[in-house]
Amino acid sequence: SQKIEQNSEALNIQEGKTATLTCNYTNYSPAYLQWYRQDPGRGPVFLLLIRENEKEKRKERLKVTFDTTLKQSLFHITASQPADSATYLCALLSYNTDKLIFGTGTRLQVFP
Amino acid sequence: EPEVTQTPSHQVTQMGQEVILRCVPISNHLYFYWYRQILGQKVEFLVSFYNNEISEKSEIFDDQFSVERPDGSNFTLKIRSTKLEDSAMYFCASTGGQRETQYFGPGTRLLVL
Repeated sequence: SQKIEQNSEALNIQEGKTATLTCNYTNYSPAYLQWYRQDPGRGPVFLLLIRENEKEKRKERLKVTFDTTLKQSLFHITASQPADSATYLCALLSYNTDKLIFGTGTRLQVFP
Repeated sequence: EPEVTQTPSHQVTQMGQEVILRCVPISNHLYFYWYRQILGQKVEFLVSFYNNEISEKSEIFDDQFSVERPDGSNFTLKIRSTKLEDSAMYFCASTGGQRETQYFGPGTRLLVL
């Protein structure tokens, strides 16, 4: 069956360090992989999208990599700040469907 | 920047009652979605809607659920007879012609007693 796993339920890091979050999937061939941020009681906020034929995408302090052989995406936040503390969701979208499949998320806590 | 909006932000209802959750998608978007998130669980797809028709729905979206675009701006989700297990956050989302990125609203927290 299709499965999306995000490496850990929670990740605690010190301000200024790089946070690295992992998304692994099985039995799935996504056309796009997306990362969203979700704050408590709020809706997911789109951050970055990477296509199956792309290896890496960057946006300001954010970087996403996508390895379709390993079936894995890494999401990096460099120079992390306490304001980056949130849950980060990985979501996959295949061709011929609009159904976004979400992982359970990783809760990131950045300490001053 | 344009946003998806949802009303109400919170809704409390008795089991068996009908509820209507409302959404205003981003104005030039063509594809609309409802998702839900039970507390502590992942976001789950319910239904997609395009050109006044359901284009895809999940197993969760049974006969108790319906969607409608009653006018040019609103998109609604109706639950005909709510159950306790319908308690969740319900998110509306929309996307434009490329259909790559879905933009989510802030959600409606539904509590069924």
